[in-house]
Amino acid sequence: EAGVAQSPRYKIIEKRQSVAFWCNPISGHATLYWYQQILGQGPKLLIQFQNNGVVDDSQLPKDRFSAERLKGVDSTLKIQPAKLEDSAVYLCASSQTPSGAGGYTFGSGTRLTVV
Amino acid sequence: AQSVSQHNHHVILSEAASLELGCNYSYGGTVNLFWYVQYPGQHLQLLLKYFSGDPLVKGIKGFEAEFIKSKFSFNLRKPSVQWSDTAEYFCAVNAKAGGGNKLTFGTGTQLKVEL
Repeated sequence: EAGVAQSPRYKIIEKRQSVAFWCNPISGHATLYWYQQILGQGPKLLIQFQNNGVVDDSQLPKDRFSAERLKGVDSTLKIQPAKLEDSAVYLCASSQTPSGAGGYTFGSGTRLTVV
Repeated sequence: AQSVSQHNHHVILSEAASLELGCNYSYGGTVNLFWYVQYPGQHLQLLLKYFSGDPLVKGIKGFEAEFIKSKFSFNLRKPSVQWSDTAEYFCAVNAKAGGGNKLTFGTGTQLKVEL
């Protein structure tokens, strides 16, 4: 089966600019996650969707980050305006069920550098 | 909220040495436990997972982990490492949080295997 697709792979922007990342989960996976992985740290959950509804966005910096999954399939994560500390790899993952009982599949990530 | 601790941030071993990476979690309820590996430049890949049953779980590439509920631990082991095992290893815990389940990662252990 095809994996979780993410684009772009790399992005370099200046601080205060905006950026958007795209994710297409595994077909049939209802639950989609966005994680932020800062260098030297483990991935941190930003937002979790169940179909097109938000399950958990408690760690999403809502003053600058937004995410949507309008049709319950692919998703976009946006940062506006970006700060230096947003430099990280942004990972998308999906699972068949919200419990994660079937496991999670991760995409290759988007490496963002803010200069 | 659940948390995950990985005690070793950097481990250097010679080929054929035995490996044990520590992982402890804090959460009072039912958990699912995972070990992920991230090879240089690649995405997170699942090594093994524990959901229920036999607490000794065998994964890919000769890795295994033991769930000790009384110690809240899920240590990763491999009897004889290879140079190709050089990678970063993440322990993760899936548990109920808010409206759904949440996958929480440890900070990771960077393993370097020398020839």
